[in-house]
Amino acid sequence: EDQVTQSPEALRLQEGESSSLNCSYTVSGLRGLFWYRQDPGKGPEFLFTLYSAGEEKEKERLKATLTKKESFLHITAPKPEDSATYLCAGQISGGYNKLIFGAGTRLAVHP
Amino acid sequence: EAQVTQNPRYLITVTGKKLTVTCSQNMNHEYMSWYRQDPGLGLRQIYYSMNVEVTDKGDVPEGYKVSRKEKRNFPLILESPSPNQTSLYFCASSSGAIMFFGPGTRLTVL
Repeated sequence: EDQVTQSPEALRLQEGESSSLNCSYTVSGLRGLFWYRQDPGKGPEFLFTLYSAGEEKEKERLKATLTKKESFLHITAPKPEDSATYLCAGQISGGYNKLIFGAGTRLAVHP
Repeated sequence: EAQVTQNPRYLITVTGKKLTVTCSQNMNHEYMSWYRQDPGLGLRQIYYSMNVEVTDKGDVPEGYKVSRKEKRNFPLILESPSPNQTSLYFCASSSGAIMFFGPGTRLTVL
């Protein structure tokens, strides 16, 4: 069964305290691994897509990496405005734009 | 501004009273989809549409209907809502791999 699992469920950081969020997947024929950010009361907003093991993508304080079994979202020197829920999703083969989402990690960054 | 819009944003209704949640996108995307989001379960796909008049079931289609008569609109219909359909609903559209989501509709069925 295709599955995406994120950990931890919630993470509290002090401003400037770097950390990583984990996304492990068992998705047959993974076509792409997606990261989204979701703010309270809003829809998910696209951050990154990774397509092959070893690939890395960066945006400001965020860096996403991909291995054959998991993906990490590294947050370097976070700021309070990075507080959000981060969603990971695997795109399966054979299904047009079919995404399997994890439950998300709620990140809170305190000043 | 490129966007996906949903209405209403909040809805409280009673069991069995038919309702429709509208979704519209202004990006000329062919693909549209509906998801529901429940605590601890993540986003789950209800229905999707690859183009006008082409729709198909997602992972949790029971109790829902959709239609795609125009490219920009993809309404979600609950003909006889039940309390287990209380959830946060998102409409999304895409023209490639990246999905654009609407702001969500919080539905409560009493």
